[in-house]
Amino acid sequence: QQPVQSPQAVILREGEDAVINCSSSKALYSVHWYRQKHGEAPVFLMILLKGGEQKGHDKISASFNEKKQQSSLYLTASQLSYSGTYFCGTLAYSGAGSYQLTFGKGTKLSVIP
Amino acid sequence: GAGVSQTPSNKVTEKGKYVELRCDPISGHTALYWYRQSLGQGPEFLIYFQGTGAADDSGLPNDRFFAVRPEGSVSTLKIQRTERGDSAVYLCASSYQAGQPQHFGDGTRLSIL
Repeated sequence: QQPVQSPQAVILREGEDAVINCSSSKALYSVHWYRQKHGEAPVFLMILLKGGEQKGHDKISASFNEKKQQSSLYLTASQLSYSGTYFCGTLAYSGAGSYQLTFGKGTKLSVIP
Repeated sequence: GAGVSQTPSNKVTEKGKYVELRCDPISGHTALYWYRQSLGQGPEFLIYFQGTGAADDSGLPNDRFFAVRPEGSVSTLKIQRTERGDSAVYLCASSYQAGQPQHFGDGTRLSIL
């Protein structure tokens, strides 16, 4: 099942903060976050393993609540370069020894001056 | 070092034709993935290779789609009797091991007329 992302789109002014949420109905092994700019390949941001961890990368951080099967991406003091579509990918066991990464529909983030 | 390379970058062909899409992963990456991305959607899983073998092909939509990775490096996605609904961007990704961050190529934009 595809994870559900919210919001679908958000517009920010430079310096504002945003939170993007990702939830799944399946038991998750890990959550991956990617950013994709128009016409480009998705770029890996961070991975969160089960255990309720949090991670930070510059002014972008994320958390993973294993019990709720939810993850949130936090963008603080947004910059113009943060614009793009953010995807969460949920890694779950798909059977026969395979773990499959399933992506949400994405959250389009636009940062304006 | 070089990233994931995909060729061609664009492919336009007529309905019913056969196409091959090539992916050259990052050197040393044992896991290779194919995804399909339609406009406004997240990448949709097609198939995953661990080494030379297809570990999970549950995402292939039907038997017109087939992929190989004969020497555990370069992979080719093959589509027979193409249909207009096959039009999409086909993304390839690789990771050092399964479950680890995936690095995407720029994709092949396939258009079926």
